[in-house]
Amino acid sequence: GIQVEQSPPDLILQEGANSTLRCNFSDSVNNLQWFHQNPWGQLINLFYIPSGTKQNGRLSATTVATERYSLLYISSSQTTDSGVYFCAVERSGGSYIPTFGRGTSLIVHP
Amino acid sequence: DTEVTQTPKHLVMGMTNKKSLKCEQHMGHRAMYWYKQKAKKPPELMFVYSYEKLSINESVPSRFSPECPNSSLLNLHLHALQPEDSALYLCASSEGLAGYNEQFFGPGTRLTVL
Repeated sequence: GIQVEQSPPDLILQEGANSTLRCNFSDSVNNLQWFHQNPWGQLINLFYIPSGTKQNGRLSATTVATERYSLLYISSSQTTDSGVYFCAVERSGGSYIPTFGRGTSLIVHP
Repeated sequence: DTEVTQTPKHLVMGMTNKKSLKCEQHMGHRAMYWYKQKAKKPPELMFVYSYEKLSINESVPSRFSPECPNSSLLNLHLHALQPEDSALYLCASSEGLAGYNEQFFGPGTRLTVL
């Protein structure tokens, strides 16, 4: 199956700092999503981005499908950004089974 | 409305109990999913329903029994669970299985098996 690697595994920031999270995948993908899982377990949709660039407030994401990676940028981080960020992909021509990366755990200190 | 609801939020059950988890969406989505998530791990897919038919079963033990009574509802029936089945159970939905397939997740049911 498709391999999904996220880096870094852990990240600790001071409030106000910027960060870049990376998702590498081993095959062509039809779908790619970024999620934020808050401390209560809710998975929140951040971006649906199989290719291109999108922005939503302080967050933006870029997927370069031909090079098989996606980046999530968080600017001016806030304590509420703490949690785990997951990338999930669906392989092109695959069996519609989403594959999650292992996540990046982010802690933002005040 | 991009909401998926799940009940109950928390569930504690013994190994001989029978219980059910419920999931509901009103987005007109035709694909629904059950995931299991252990602490500090990503969600693991258990089942996928498409147009109310079981499409994918990821070799889940028979003590977990899914049911899709209609296009808005998804149940997970639990029987004779083991303590290692304690986890966060997440439901998700998407428009379908082909093409544009953005998934939306519910808040989860935190299950403890004693």
